[in-house]
Amino acid sequence: GAVVSQHPSRVICKSGTSVKIECRSLDFQATTMFWYRQFPKQSLMLMATSNEGSKATYEQGVEKDKFLINHASLTLSTLTVTSAHPEDSSFYICSASGWLGQGGYGYTFGSGTRLTVV
Amino acid sequence: RKEVEQDPGPFNVPEGATVAFNCTYSNSASQSFFWYRQDCRKEPKLLMSVYSSGNEDGRFTAQLNRASQYISLLIRDSKLSDSATYLCVVRQGGTYKYIFGTGTRLKVLA
Repeated sequence: GAVVSQHPSRVICKSGTSVKIECRSLDFQATTMFWYRQFPKQSLMLMATSNEGSKATYEQGVEKDKFLINHASLTLSTLTVTSAHPEDSSFYICSASGWLGQGGYGYTFGSGTRLTVV
Repeated sequence: RKEVEQDPGPFNVPEGATVAFNCTYSNSASQSFFWYRQDCRKEPKLLMSVYSSGNEDGRFTAQLNRASQYISLLIRDSKLSDSATYLCVVRQGGTYKYIFGTGTRLKVLA
């Protein structure tokens, strides 16, 4: 149980375009989803926390108008990188937390999306 | 000061060696502690939770010292497949917000 699917796994886009990344919890209801970014040889940095049906909470220094997060259902959250620039090139990972029933409360990562902006 | 600090390494050790990683955290209200493993260009995977009494899972032993705000991971009888980055992770109390250390790279050599 507690499987999180993230798509796409890899995307290359032109500077100035927007990219949408999807994160789905496949076998549990994710009441909270987190979006992280990881630059090479650096740690995962939390970008924002989203609870289903409400606005995301962004970490300090993360532009909410640039990184649009939608968590409209208990199984899907999306991150849209708007007007992407080369400095946005990074590894983006989502994680989902929710009640797994007998399995207790789970916290699972998606497989990540490697974004390259050219 | 970073909330979670780790020695980035790399630690290059021969197969069969014992290696220890340390981690310190700054927020005394931190509630839960974990070690994650991350392979190159992959998502982190939970290795083990860390309990106050210390806990062991096969060749892996984790320790927590709340007074010193210090966490450790010991790997015995290292295998080639243990080569990865080990992330120290702390969950803030009352939330599901996880703070990651920068990770410690381990390379086990044949």
